[in-house]
This record gives sequence, structure tokens and C-alpha cells, in this order.
Amino acid sequence: SQQGEEDPQALSIQEGENATMNCSYKTSINNLQWYRQNSGRGLVHLILIRSNEREKHSGRLRVTLDTSKKSSSLLITASRAADTASYFCAPLRYGGSQGNLIFGKGTKLSVKP
Amino acid sequence: DVKVTQSSRYLVKRTGEKVFLECVQDMDHENMFWYRQDPGLGLRLIYFSYDVKMKEKGDIPEGYSVSREKKERFSLILESASTNQTSMYLCASRSSGSGTDTQYFGPGTRLTVL
Repeated sequence: SQQGEEDPQALSIQEGENATMNCSYKTSINNLQWYRQNSGRGLVHLILIRSNEREKHSGRLRVTLDTSKKSSSLLITASRAADTASYFCAPLRYGGSQGNLIFGKGTKLSVKP
Repeated sequence: DVKVTQSSRYLVKRTGEKVFLECVQDMDHENMFWYRQDPGLGLRLIYFSYDVKMKEKGDIPEGYSVSREKKERFSLILESASTNQTSMYLCASRSSGSGTDTQYFGPGTRLTVL
């Protein structure tokens, strides 16, 4: 199984600013997913980008994927206090135990009103 | 909407007790997972199951066992709870269908072992 590693570990911004989080991984993948976790709760799926896609949008979220660099980024535009949460990336490669989502330590985002 | 439920949000047990954490999903997913989450360590996979009565060890299976007698239910068992098993436990499920790789999580069980 392979794990994504998020960077930075923590990010503090003002409401209205953009937040960018990065993810790196080590092997080839079929897709990469981003999840969000509010404090003390389960993870919620945000967006999935396939290995043949370079960019994907969903509302205020923009995800990029660079398979040559084995990296992805999640951009949250015009952030709100409600975006305060931890964000995790999960690269996925099909096949046996490789098909398990392994999560890193996440990026803890704090959006100050 | 997919729903993954866990039997308890908070649980307090004593060292040496046998502990059952139950997870139920309502979307007929083949795959189910148990993770634990600790500060500074992120989520770590304990066990997973691809089908009924089937189980595979994850990265940290020691001290745990699992049971999957029915497709919708995946139980995590702590045979003899220890203080180092105090943690947040998260259950998840996912379909095996092509293009359905989204994983759905339960709300978590915060277990304290005294």
C-alpha cells in the first residue's frame, strides 16, 4: 500500500485568502483522492482526480495532479472559517492490498475570521 | 446517501477487558476497513475485508482481530484492551465497482482504556 504525505503539516490563514496544500507519493497510481476531517469526526471525501487528468474543479476546490513529479495540490479559494479542518490525500493503485487507501498525517488548516 | 455507522461515539473500558467495536454500512459495499487515528501519527490501517468472512491484516494488526459474518457489518475486537489502544477508531467502506473508489467513513469511536 502506498501513502500520501501532505505538506505543510499546519496552515493558518485569514478568511478570504486562498489555501494551498500539497501531497507527494512514491509509486504509480490510478487516482488520488482528497478528504477532509472536522475535529473529532470521520473523514469526508472531497474530490477524486484520475491519473490521466491534470486538473479538476469542484466549487471552491481545485486539485492538480502531476504524475511525473508524483505530486498533487489542493487549492481552496476564498476560504471561510468553516473550512477549518484537517485535509488528507490518498493515492490509490488498484490490485490486492495496493487497493487500500493509506492516509498520511494530513494538513491542519485553520481559517481565522 | 451512503451511511456508515459505528456503535458508539465514546467508550471507556478497563485494561484487560474484551472490547467490541461495531461498524455497519448500508450501501452493499464489498470492502470495509478499520483505522486508528492518533495525534502525530495520522490514520493507520488495522484490518480490512474484501468480502464476507474474509479479512486481511493492515499495517498495525497486533492486539486486534476482526469479524465479518455479514456483508454490512465489520467488527473490530480488542481481545484484552491495553492503555496503548486508547485512540480514535474509524471504520470505512468502499465499493469494488469500477470508478467507485470513494471511501465512506463512520463518525468514529473514541476509545479510552483505563
